[in-house]
Amino acid sequence: QQQVKQSPQSLIVQKGGISIINCAYENTAFDYFPWYQQFPGKGPALLIAIRPDVSEKKEGRFTISFNKSAKQFSLHIMDSQPGDSATYFCAASMKGGGADGLTFGKGTHLIIQP
Amino acid sequence: NAGVTQTPKFQVLKTGQSMTLQCAQDMNHNSMYWYRQDPGMGLRLIYYSASEGTTDKGEVPNGYNVSRLNKREFSLRLESAAPSQTSVYFCASSALSGNTIYFGEGSWLTVV
Repeated sequence: QQQVKQSPQSLIVQKGGISIINCAYENTAFDYFPWYQQFPGKGPALLIAIRPDVSEKKEGRFTISFNKSAKQFSLHIMDSQPGDSATYFCAASMKGGGADGLTFGKGTHLIIQP
Repeated sequence: NAGVTQTPKFQVLKTGQSMTLQCAQDMNHNSMYWYRQDPGMGLRLIYYSASEGTTDKGEVPNGYNVSRLNKREFSLRLESAAPSQTSVYFCASSALSGNTIYFGEGSWLTVV
């Protein structure tokens, strides 16, 4: 059972545009929602994270929008740059932390065209 | 800052051979994990260790075994490799289960 559904699977955006990746979850016990960024040949690395007590978190050009009632959260990359080309994973974990760590979405392969 | 270190980085195995992927973290983390990454499948949890001395099965444990050797080290063993185990393997750790997970650089395994 996939508990975190991520879309789209791949995305092409022009340089300077806005990249938007969406995730939906089912488990209302989830309490922590991070996004990971992975460059080719590297391991995923934490990009930005949010807890459900806020509806938005911004760090530079990266923003997480969170809709608790809809059980959805999204990553927005403003002024997208070729260096943002990577695979992005959303994830979730339960309050207090489930012993098995994070539940990941299947990933979005983002390409920023110059 | 070493973080999570895993070896080897690349390995080619013949079907039926065995091997062990080694992982060590220097962040004094309690929890450690092994994931595999396949195209279109995302990151799937193989085994995890919530604390030293404990290990548990994840989503795709069949064909694998693990050992939490001490707080720093968590190894993944393939007893009889199969082509379906061709994948990229990531070791990871976190201070506490459910918190930020830190990944190693990955191990590319091909089984022929």
